[in-house]
Amino acid sequence: DVKVTQSSRYLVKRTGEKVFLECVQDMDHENMFWYRQDPGLGLRLIYFSYDVKMKEKGDIPEGYSVSREKKERFSLILESASTNQTSMYLCASSAVGSYEQYFGPGTRLTVT
Amino acid sequence: QKEVEQNSGPLSVPEGAIASLNCTYSDRVSQSFFWYRQYSGKSPELIMSIYSNGDKEDGRFTAQLNKASQYVSLLIRDSQPSDSATYLCAVLFYNQGGKLIFGQGTELSVKP
Repeated sequence: DVKVTQSSRYLVKRTGEKVFLECVQDMDHENMFWYRQDPGLGLRLIYFSYDVKMKEKGDIPEGYSVSREKKERFSLILESASTNQTSMYLCASSAVGSYEQYFGPGTRLTVT
Repeated sequence: QKEVEQNSGPLSVPEGAIASLNCTYSDRVSQSFFWYRQYSGKSPELIMSIYSNGDKEDGRFTAQLNKASQYVSLLIRDSQPSDSATYLCAVLFYNQGGKLIFGQGTELSVKP
């Protein structure tokens, strides 16, 4: 079974803080993704990566950056957290040549 | 037109009935389609993938694809209260660099 884990289930941060969200997958998947999910807006792609040290912007990259130093780990960074970044953050991974994405449990981030 | 459209629901069916969930998409050349189930407060879970016109069955779930009509559906036979969740349709959009686009989801409620 594909296992995608995320560092925290719930996180509360203050406005202006730098926030790190970690995602690790154990299936040797090349592709990794970060989404946020908000009521009424659905799932929106923030960043994705098809290989180590590679990253591509998704639909809403503003205010975020990512890091992929190892194949199994994909980190999402909020450089200076703002209240409009309060959301559920979901990490997903997929194998090369497959479009089946498997999601981690999610991190519910609250920025106050 | 939204890229992937689903009725938001809620769709309410009695236990034991067939639940029918529908999804339309705008990209005529899409070839890969997915259904995810998301329980409240949890992350999406992949339940079905379909790539060819026609029906694909897996247990109580049947995915139906009609590319000419740009329509994909999910049937759940013998619905159980444990099937109560939001069902997300996802479509691979080749004209957007192979991005998976999610619908807003249909909330299903199965009443005992």
